[in-house]
Amino acid sequence: SQQGEEDPQALSIQEGENATMNCSYKTSINNLQWYRQNSGRGLVHLILIRSNEREKHSGRLRVTLDTSKKSSSLLITASRAADTASYFCATYANAGGTSYGKLTFGQGTILTVHP
Amino acid sequence: DTGVSQNPRHKITKRGQNVTFRCDPISEHNRLYWYRQTLGQGPEFLTYFQNEAQLEKSRLLSDRFSAERPKGSFSTLEIQRTEQGDSAMYLCASSHSWDRVLNEQFFGPGTRLTVL
Repeated sequence: SQQGEEDPQALSIQEGENATMNCSYKTSINNLQWYRQNSGRGLVHLILIRSNEREKHSGRLRVTLDTSKKSSSLLITASRAADTASYFCATYANAGGTSYGKLTFGQGTILTVHP
Repeated sequence: DTGVSQNPRHKITKRGQNVTFRCDPISEHNRLYWYRQTLGQGPEFLTYFQNEAQLEKSRLLSDRFSAERPKGSFSTLEIQRTEQGDSAMYLCASSHSWDRVLNEQFFGPGTRLTVL
């Protein structure tokens, strides 16, 4: 079963607008990470937020984490056509110190930014 | 280029054939992961190596799948008697074990397998 579930599944916006994607998960986590994947390619790490953090910024990216609701959001401000990609949240849970760092991914949000 | 590399990038094979993929991680990374991604889905964990030891395997990894990491450097993933359901993108990632808290993983470009 998927640990993370993103919504919306697809998002279409105009260049310059903001894009918000949400992720929900089911178990306690150590951190949550967001990745981008351009069509048919490997994943690129965007940003990581620890379980004891509530908000984090990196350039045009803003991530929030609400552990009480087991949810996270990724905001991309002033979007560009080059931001068109699939975005995945991934959780890392090192329960009892026995996990070896595997990430559990959601199904992703497909973002299309129209020029 | 010091990123994670994977070969081949694409593989087309007939049902029943064996295939082998290779992953070269970032040189100083001792952790190596294999994931599988089918169309429209997120990656799913297959297996994990720390140095040359395979420490975790997913139930997705059937008996037809085997992975190795001799000498703790590159890794190979072999699929025997391929089935059409094996068609997917196979992704490799690496990280360093000192980074126990963060575990940022760096992904390769993937090998896309098509089984006819």
